[in-house]
Amino acid sequence: GNSVTQMEGPVTLSEEAFLTINCTYTATGYPSLFWYVQYPGEGLQLLLKATKADDKGSNKGFEATYRKETTSFHLEKGSVQVSDSAVYFCALSDLGAAGNKLTFGGGTRVLVKP
Amino acid sequence: SQTIHQWPATLVQPVGSPLSLECTVEGTSNPNLYWYRQAAGRGLQLLFYSVGIGQISSEVPQNLSASRPQDRQFILSSKKLLLSDSGFYLCAWTLNSDTQYFGPGTRLTVL
Repeated sequence: GNSVTQMEGPVTLSEEAFLTINCTYTATGYPSLFWYVQYPGEGLQLLLKATKADDKGSNKGFEATYRKETTSFHLEKGSVQVSDSAVYFCALSDLGAAGNKLTFGGGTRVLVKP
Repeated sequence: SQTIHQWPATLVQPVGSPLSLECTVEGTSNPNLYWYRQAAGRGLQLLFYSVGIGQISSEVPQNLSASRPQDRQFILSSKKLLLSDSGFYLCAWTLNSDTQYFGPGTRLTVL
C-alpha cells in the first residue's frame, strides 16, 4: 500500500535559518503530493501541493519539488520566522481508492527560536 | 466560498459517557467528508469517510461510529467513551479534487 515517511522532530532552529523537512513516499501510479501545516491548537491548513513529476509547489516562502526519481517531496524555506513554528505533514493522494483518501506522514514539529 | 465548522471546540467527558461531535460544511454540495483523530504527539488516523448521504466507510474498528444525515453534515458518535478516545478530532472535506480542507478541530479529553 501507499506510505509516507518524514523526518521525526522536533526540529529546532534559530530565526532566519534554513529549514528542510525530508519526505519520501511509496505509491503506485502518480499521486499528487501535499504539505499541510498545523499551528498550535488548530486544524490542518494546506501549505502547498504538486500534481506531477518536477512540479514545484510554493507558498509563504516554502517550496517543495515533486521528485519522481527519488520518490521525494522535501519541504524547504530559506529564512524561517518564529511564526513558522508548527507541525508539518507530508501527504499523498490515494489515486484509485474510493473516497479520494490521503495518506499522511507522521508529522514533523518545527520550533523556531528568536 | 466554502467553510467548514466543527463543534464543540473543546470537550471533557467521563469514561463511559456518550459522544456526539458535529461537522458541517457550507458553500458546496455533495462533498466527500472525513473524520480523523490525532492522538497527543501523533500523526493523523483516518477514522471514517463518506461519499454521500447515509454512506459511511470505516477505516479502523473501534467503539466510534459516524453518520451523515444531511449532505453537508457529518457526525461522529460513541455510546461509551474510553480513555483511549482522547485526542484531537478533525473533520475534512473535498469536492472533485484530491485536496482536502480541514476544520478547526475538537479537542476531546476523556477522564
